[in-house]
Amino acid sequence: KNEVEQSPQNLTAQEGEFITINCSYSVGISALHWLQQHPGGGIVSLFMLSSGKKKHGRLIATINIQEKHSSLHITASHPRDSAVYICAVRSVETSGSRLTFGEGTQLTVNP
Amino acid sequence: SAVISQKPSRDICQRGTSLTIQCQVDSQVTMMFWYRQQPGQSLTLIATANQGSEATYESGFVIDKFPISRPNLTFSTLTVSNMSPEDSSIYLCSAWTGGWEAFFGQGTRLTVV
Repeated sequence: KNEVEQSPQNLTAQEGEFITINCSYSVGISALHWLQQHPGGGIVSLFMLSSGKKKHGRLIATINIQEKHSSLHITASHPRDSAVYICAVRSVETSGSRLTFGEGTQLTVNP
Repeated sequence: SAVISQKPSRDICQRGTSLTIQCQVDSQVTMMFWYRQQPGQSLTLIATANQGSEATYESGFVIDKFPISRPNLTFSTLTVSNMSPEDSSIYLCSAWTGGWEAFFGQGTRLTVV
């Protein structure tokens, strides 16, 4: 079992739909990241969470430390949101510098 | 924060040759990491690049195949040596500034023919 698991692996939506991507982890963490990877390969950090909820534009990220679960929501999805979304955690059991990554969720938003 | 410039962004290479990937950070960073992402898979850590000392390699990765340099606190290179088609992947560098944020380069998409 991977330390970080995401679902779904693939997600296709119509423009305007509300999207949720889930992340579960099995280790104690100091922080959780949601990352966005575009087809060229580059990765952008969307959120870093250690508790609660964060919002940036149409994106919302939540984390439940007790349940070891996080969700990324996209409201009013748009084709430009099409990308791979990756959940990554900083484990307290390793040095704080290292990240453990989920498998990623390929999101396709159709016009 | 840190902005990382990674190059090349993509390359097509002949088997048996080597490719060196560079990452330049706009500020001094504590540690730099090199990842490989094979098609359809998540990121796998190759090694941690430490300034002034030899890189620390993860299980399954060796220095002869993936030599790494870190001459100062803002720059690192990864060389993929004696390439084979199985080395076709995206290679990414990442920097750690000592806090909780994550910073990544733009990725190098390598195809070996």
